[in-house]
Amino acid sequence: DVKVTQSSRYLVKRTGEKVFLECVQDMDHENMFWYRQDPGLGLRLIYFSYDVKMKEKGDIPEGYSVSREKKERFSLILESASTNQTSMYLCASTPPTINYGYTFGSGTRLTVV
Amino acid sequence: AQSVTQLDSQVPVFEEAPVELRCNYSSSVSVYLFWYVQYPNQGLQLLLKYLSGSTLVESINGFEAEFNKSQTSFHLRKPSVHISDTAEYFCAVSENYQLIWGAGTKLIIKP
Repeated sequence: DVKVTQSSRYLVKRTGEKVFLECVQDMDHENMFWYRQDPGLGLRLIYFSYDVKMKEKGDIPEGYSVSREKKERFSLILESASTNQTSMYLCASTPPTINYGYTFGSGTRLTVV
Repeated sequence: AQSVTQLDSQVPVFEEAPVELRCNYSSSVSVYLFWYVQYPNQGLQLLLKYLSGSTLVESINGFEAEFNKSQTSFHLRKPSVHISDTAEYFCAVSENYQLIWGAGTKLIIKP
């Protein structure tokens, strides 16, 4: 089975801290995505990447950056965490053919205090 | 650009009753359609998908969905729900190499 692993299930950080959320997939997928999920707002795309060192902004990139130095790893970075970034963060991956759908990690629930 | 509408944010239903979760998408061009399920404090899992062929697709746990091209719908149904079906359900449609997501429907099972 394809596995997408997010390094932390729960994370508490202080306002102003630099935060790294890590995502690793083990099926050689080209495409990787970061979403945030908030009650009533569904899934909102932050960034995605379709190849190593490639990145594209999603719908809500402000306050975030990403890094993809290796194919299997896609990191989301909060440069200076703020309380409005408290959320559930979901990573997903897929091969280029979308007919497989996305495989998601278990999510990281981030609280910024 | 595609958009996906899940009309109901919450659907309460009694245990062992049937349920339908509605999903409509905006464009009638050839698309792939997906339903995902999210149990509390977990990531999303693929429930079923329509790629081509038979318009009725089924999951291993008793859910089914029917692709209706003329109505641009992909409603999810189950004839008899269980307490374990309590979750949030997301409909998604393909656009290029990405999925466009609905806002989700919370299925609430009443004992």
